[in-house]
Amino acid sequence: DAGVIQSPRHEVTEMGQEVTLRCKPISGHDYLFWYRQTMMRGLELLIYFNNNVPIDDSGMPEDRFSAKMPNASFSTLKIQPSEPRDSAVYFCASTRARAGNTGELFFGEGSRLTVL
Amino acid sequence: QKEVEQDPGPLSVPEGAIVSLNCTYSNSAFQYFMWYRQYSRKGPELLMYTYSSGNKEDGRFTAQVDKSSKYISLFIRDSQPSDSATYLCAMRGGGGSNYKLTFGKGTLLTVNP
Repeated sequence: DAGVIQSPRHEVTEMGQEVTLRCKPISGHDYLFWYRQTMMRGLELLIYFNNNVPIDDSGMPEDRFSAKMPNASFSTLKIQPSEPRDSAVYFCASTRARAGNTGELFFGEGSRLTVL
Repeated sequence: QKEVEQDPGPLSVPEGAIVSLNCTYSNSAFQYFMWYRQYSRKGPELLMYTYSSGNKEDGRFTAQVDKSSKYISLFIRDSQPSDSATYLCAMRGGGGSNYKLTFGKGTLLTVNP
């Protein structure tokens, strides 16, 4: 089975540009999470969805960040305008709600963003 | 105070050593405790999972949870160079639909041949 697929793997952009990160969760998973990882702050939850509906976006740092999940197989995280402090690795993860589930999150390989 | 505290290391040990990794937490609502392993430039992968207090063993790995002290540990016996990675503790509350995980910052481990 294919895992969580993220694109692009690497993105280098200039300050002020719009950045769009994409995620395809594992088929059948109904929870999708966006995390950001930096050396200073570790892995931080930005937002998560259940059945395509945003449940908790309290980790989204500013209005410059937005996330959508138009259907069960696709999600985007957008930063507009981007700033150098947004440089990080952005991970998408998914899981499926079911009885006895440990709640294991399956992560993609991440999108490494560098804002110059 | 962050909800989950983890010493970032780095930790460097010789092959065959016993490794101890630890996290403390402040949220009494946490019920599920996990350890993820993250290789360089990869996403985290679940290594061990424990519900509530107690020990769990899987091969060379042992996870311990002490809810009274809000302290969790991961022990690696006979460490191997292939164990070199970042280890992240993670935890979440109970409830049938609460899958939101809070992570520690991770400890970078290097096992030297």
